[in-house]
Amino acid sequence: NAGVTQTPKFRVLKTGQSMTLLCAQDMNHEYMYWYRQDPGMGLRLIHYSVGEGTTAKGEVPDGYNVSRLKKQNFLLGLESAAPSQTSVYFCASSYQGHVEAFFGQGTRLTVV
Amino acid sequence: GQQVMQIPQYQHVQEGEDFTTYCNSSTTLSNIQWYKQRPGGHPVFLIQLVKSGEVKKQKRLTFQFGEAKKNSSLHITATQTTDVGTYFCAGKAGTASKLTFGTGTRLQVTL
Repeated sequence: NAGVTQTPKFRVLKTGQSMTLLCAQDMNHEYMYWYRQDPGMGLRLIHYSVGEGTTAKGEVPDGYNVSRLKKQNFLLGLESAAPSQTSVYFCASSYQGHVEAFFGQGTRLTVV
Repeated sequence: GQQVMQIPQYQHVQEGEDFTTYCNSSTTLSNIQWYKQRPGGHPVFLIQLVKSGEVKKQKRLTFQFGEAKKNSSLHITATQTTDVGTYFCAGKAGTASKLTFGTGTRLQVTL
């Protein structure tokens, strides 16, 4: 039982490049989230999904897109990376919206 | 939108001292969760509070949910070096589907 797995763990991008971060969970959870963590800012919600085929915007959605084509996977895309998107990205999932969330190990992204 | 603030942002204590972090929401919460993130790690769920005025304990940790369900606190008695990390509260407001995290309190414990 792997829980929540994020790939890749580290990545360096040049400004303007695109990439996709993959989150996979094997707990049959309905809810999945993408957060970014920056020093002194806590965890800020980028996008979330309440079930397969659904997505919704969080606090800081600009510059990101997401897809939830399969229940177990939640993809976060950066179409044209900017230095302001340098951050640690965490994916999380939960069975329902009001119960504990399980986090992945994080992806450290640097945009130069 | 909903905002969740925590104070202090950072606290440095000596081992054996007590520690408290406070969480305040701009809106009434249906529940409050607490997470701990060790340095270099990911947030790990500690506990959830649901009822107004609820108090729960986990060994040296005491969690409290305010009567108005807009604030919460985490108190650690006699801190140990293993308590080092950042503590986050997270709340869900009403029927909102998203979990909003607080800004976190980083705890440093030295011998």
